[in-house]
Amino acid sequence: EVQLVESGGGLVQPGRSLKLSCAASGFTFSNYDMAWVRQAPTKGLEWVASISTGGGNTYYRDSVKGRFTISRDNAKSTLYLQMDSLRSEDTATYYCARHGGRFGPFAYWGQGTLVTVSS
Amino acid sequence: DIVMTQTPSSQAVSAGEKVTMSCKSSQSLLYSENKKNYLAWYQQKPGQSPKLLISWASTRESGVPDRFIGSGSGTDFTLTISSVQAEDLAVYYCEQYYDTPLTFGSGTKLEIK
Repeated sequence: EVQLVESGGGLVQPGRSLKLSCAASGFTFSNYDMAWVRQAPTKGLEWVASISTGGGNTYYRDSVKGRFTISRDNAKSTLYLQMDSLRSEDTATYYCARHGGRFGPFAYWGQGTLVTVSS
Repeated sequence: DIVMTQTPSSQAVSAGEKVTMSCKSSQSLLYSENKKNYLAWYQQKPGQSPKLLISWASTRESGVPDRFIGSGSGTDFTLTISSVQAEDLAVYYCEQYYDTPLTFGSGTKLEIK
């Protein structure tokens, strides 16, 4: 059974940093592109970033480019999102998701971890 | 960026009724080389993570009831639920994976009368 378990969320002040983790199990992690998708409270879904199987290719939405870094450790079957210079508009539940195929649709999702940026 | 527009924003139907919801993209999602539409539909029930229902505009995921039907091509897509059940209460999102940034529609909230 595919499982994606996020951790690392919490309350953080504007301008500070936070690192999210996503522990994957039930599939060969290194074979799949992975992503982070977020959802602000009572709002819709918003793609944040994606990373290729080996980590060599990364893609970001413009609003997080230069502030967020997606990475992965295939030996640990873990996906990361380093978030720096956080802003209030980054407040959201962050979901780890597995792409289906080459940057295809999001076939599996974690339960999400809430990040609140507030002073 | 490819803009995804979903209508209606909410819809209330009785159990057993047929419901359709629309998703329009600002540019074609049909890739000429493989003739595939890079469009997915997700279901998000209250308090839960999204679940992939349909990929490639019309391919139902394993385990998804056959009352969920995806159709359309190019820029116009439709999700039909042939006979709505109480457990279908959810927000339904479309998503394009044709190009980055990957983008979602704003969702259609399905309410059961």
